Amino acid sequence: SQTIHQWPATLVQPVGSPLSLECTVEGTSNPNLYWYRQAAGRGLQLLFYSVGIGQISSEVPQNLSASRPQDRQFILSSKKLLLSDSGFYLCAWRGRGLVNTGELFFGEGSRLTVL
Amino acid sequence: DAKTTQPPSMDCAEGRAANLPCNHSTISGNEYVYWYRQIHSQGPQYIIHGLKNNETNEMASLIITEDRKSSTLILPHATLRDTAVYYCTGNQFYFGTGTSLTVIP
Repeated sequence: SQTIHQWPATLVQPVGSPLSLECTVEGTSNPNLYWYRQAAGRGLQLLFYSVGIGQISSEVPQNLSASRPQDRQFILSSKKLLLSDSGFYLCAWRGRGLVNTGELFFGEGSRLTVL
Repeated sequence: DAKTTQPPSMDCAEGRAANLPCNHSTISGNEYVYWYRQIHSQGPQYIIHGLKNNETNEMASLIITEDRKSSTLILPHATLRDTAVYYCTGNQFYFGTGTSLTVIP
């Protein structure tokens, strides 16, 4: 069966520090991968998606970036965190096919607090 | 992008049917409607999706109006474990703030 893992589960970082959140998927090949953010009291918004190694599409301009160094690994990064980067970050995957069809399978999330 | 509108909160008595509405008047003709739920501090869980016809699975039923401008998620016999935030979405790029359903004993 397929599983998705995110880490770290929680993170407290000072403003201006770097960020790296990792996500891996097991039990499937060539998944479409997604990073979402959920700010307090806000909806769940897509940040990045990837249809393959090295292929990243950004939906919302900001100081975050994403990379996909391996087929089942997706990384969310920042060089300098802002207070507004605080939130709940969710990684998700879906099977090969069109980017926006088919159900998404989400990880358990990483809660980031920037102080 | 299709935008969805849902009531911010609803209550339902345990054992009764929970009917959660969603307006998606700008959804395109070939865009599915998806429903997810999120229990506090966890990742969203897929429930059901549909295009035109009503759908049913082991978790819920989905009723889509003929004009596709709205839909209703039905949990036939709500339990306390169904307390969660429920999202409807079209293209799954944005989930909105959803409906916080509280099942009352």
